[in-house]
Amino acid sequence: EDQVTQSPEALRLQEGESSSLNCSYTVSGLRGLFWYRQDPGKGPEFLFTLYSAGEEKEKERLKATLTKKESFLHITAPKPEDSATYLCAVTRGSQGNLIFGKGTKLSVKP
Amino acid sequence: DTAVSQTPKYLVTQMGNDKSIKCEQNLGHDTMYWYKQDSKKFLKIMFSYNNKELIINETVPNRFSPKSPDKAHLNLHINSLELGDSAVYFCASSQDLAGGPKQETQYFGPGTRLLVL
Repeated sequence: EDQVTQSPEALRLQEGESSSLNCSYTVSGLRGLFWYRQDPGKGPEFLFTLYSAGEEKEKERLKATLTKKESFLHITAPKPEDSATYLCAVTRGSQGNLIFGKGTKLSVKP
Repeated sequence: DTAVSQTPKYLVTQMGNDKSIKCEQNLGHDTMYWYKQDSKKFLKIMFSYNNKELIINETVPNRFSPKSPDKAHLNLHINSLELGDSAVYFCASSQDLAGGPKQETQYFGPGTRLLVL
């Protein structure tokens, strides 16, 4: 069965304290891996998509990496405005629908 | 300049009623989706709709039916609402089902919070 597992479920950081979020997956025929950010009461906001092991993408303080079994979202020197739930999702085969993990809720304290 | 919009934002209704949620996208995309986010914040696909082809998640009850009057709209109609239908429903769109980041990246609406009493 296709599965996307995110860890930790929740992460509390001090402002400026760098860390990483993990997304591991067991999916047959993986096509792409996506990271989204979701703020309370809002819809998921697209951050990155990765397709090949070794691929990396960066945006401001965020950097996403992909291996054959997992992806990491690295947050460098986070700020309080980075507080949100970060969702990992995959697509497989010819299907377009996203298979989501349960998310990591990140809180950054000033 | 909203890309994907949904109405209503909140919907409170009684068990047994029939209701609809509307979704519109102005991105010129060919594919639209409905997702359900449960109380534990877990997002799960309900439907995808591409070039008049509907792909249904087999776990979705047939009380749920998507209707697409045109490429820019995919509405969700729910019959005989049940308590367990309470959730947040998200509409999303992408250029296509697959084909690379430009084609398949999905953009989400703000969600419709449904509460069934």
